[in-house]
Amino acid sequence: EVQLVESGGALVQPGGSLRLSCAASGFTFSSYSMNWVRQAPGKGLEWVSYITSSSSAIYYADSVKGRFTISRDNAKNTLYLQMNSLRAEDTAVYYCARLGHPVFDNWGQGTLVTVSS
Amino acid sequence: QSALTQPASVSGSPGQSITISCTGTSSDVGSYNIVAWYQQHPGKAPKLIIYEGSERPSGVSNRFSGSKSGNTASLTISGLQAEDEADYYCCSVSTTWVFGGGTKLTV
Repeated sequence: EVQLVESGGALVQPGGSLRLSCAASGFTFSSYSMNWVRQAPGKGLEWVSYITSSSSAIYYADSVKGRFTISRDNAKNTLYLQMNSLRAEDTAVYYCARLGHPVFDNWGQGTLVTVSS
Repeated sequence: QSALTQPASVSGSPGQSITISCTGTSSDVGSYNIVAWYQQHPGKAPKLIIYEGSERPSGVSNRFSGSKSGNTASLTISGLQAEDEADYYCCSVSTTWVFGGGTKLTV
């Protein structure tokens, strides 16, 4: 069974930093591209970032470009999202999602990031 | 990249059928057969219910079906059940991935 478990969400002040992690199990992590998708409270889904299986290609939404960095450690079956210069509008539940079919075919339960003073 | 356009809400009675539309452009929905639909219950993660426009993942009820015509994709739910009450999102790809704004289904 595919499992994706996010962690690292917290309350952080504007301008602060946070690193999210997503631990994967139940599939060959190193064979799949991965993504981060977020959902602001009461709002819809927004794709944030994508990384290929070998980290050879990385993409970001314009809203986070230059502030967020996606990475992965295939030896640890873990996906990361380093978030810097956080803003109030970054407040959201952050989901990691596997890319298959090729759409987001499996999602974690999400981790809440709140940016507030 | 602009969000795909979905109706904010739809409703139906148990046993009825409903259809949710998802309108994009020739750069996303119209260009690729990479349209997915997700079901999201309150406080839960989204669940993939349709991919490649009309395919269902294993374990998804055949009451869910998808189609596409031009720049518009559609999700049809037949034989509505109480547990179908949820938010539904479409998703397509162009240079990056884009979601619809979501549709709240009330049963």
